[in-house]
Amino acid sequence: DTAVSQTPKYLVTQMGNDKSIKCEQNLGHDTMYWYKQDSKKFLKIMFSYNNKELIINETVPNRFSPKSPDKAHLNLHINSLELGDSAVYFCASKGQYTEAFFGQGTRLTVV
Amino acid sequence: GEDVEQSLFLSVREGDSSVINCTYTDSSSTYLYWYKQEPGAGLQLLTYIFSNMDMKQDQRLTVLLNKKDKHLSLRIADTQTGDSAIYFCAETQNRDDKIIFGKGTRLHILP
Repeated sequence: DTAVSQTPKYLVTQMGNDKSIKCEQNLGHDTMYWYKQDSKKFLKIMFSYNNKELIINETVPNRFSPKSPDKAHLNLHINSLELGDSAVYFCASKGQYTEAFFGQGTRLTVV
Repeated sequence: GEDVEQSLFLSVREGDSSVINCTYTDSSSTYLYWYKQEPGAGLQLLTYIFSNMDMKQDQRLTVLLNKKDKHLSLRIADTQTGDSAIYFCAETQNRDDKIIFGKGTRLHILP
C-alpha cells in the first residue's frame, strides 16, 4: 500500500486552463504539505495543513488553492495555468513524532 | 534565515567513499533528512536522524550530526554507479513543522 499517493502522475495542459492534483495519505498523519520542484530541481514549500487547517502559505500566487476535505487528503487546485507553473509538485505528510513521507510527484507541463 | 546549504556538485570514483555535507539554520530542528532523487523519479527517503542523536549507520550509509555547528553529513561507503543521483539535505523546523530543503548535491560517479 502506497503511503502517500498523488494523482495524476503526469499532467499536460494548455495555458489558461484550471487543473487539480490530488493527494491522499494512509498513515494517519496530521500534517500534509505541497512542494514545488522547479527546473533546477530546487524544492520549495508551498503550503502545509494540520488537521485540515492551513498552517503555512508561502507567497504562492492566489491562483493556487489547496483544499483539505479531511486530514487524509490535501488537494491542489490551480486556476488560469501559466507556463511558469510547469514543474513537479510533491505532496508529503508527517506525523507529530514521525519523519516525513513524500509522494511520487506530479509532473505538470503547461503548453 | 531559513537556508539549508549544501554544495551543488560532487564527483567520486567508483568504490571510493562519498561525503556530502550540509549546514542548517534552526537549532531546534527535530528531524534532519537525506533524500535521494534519481533522474525522472520522486524523492526517496534514504535516512534521517533525530536531533538528539549524533550518528546513525545503515549499511553503506553513515549520517553524522554536529548540533553545535549545525552540520550534517552523509557518507556513502563503496560508492556504486547506482548511487548517481541528487541528494537533498532537509530539516524539519520545530515551530511549524516546515521541512526546508537544501538545493541538492549532484553526485557523479567516475569509472
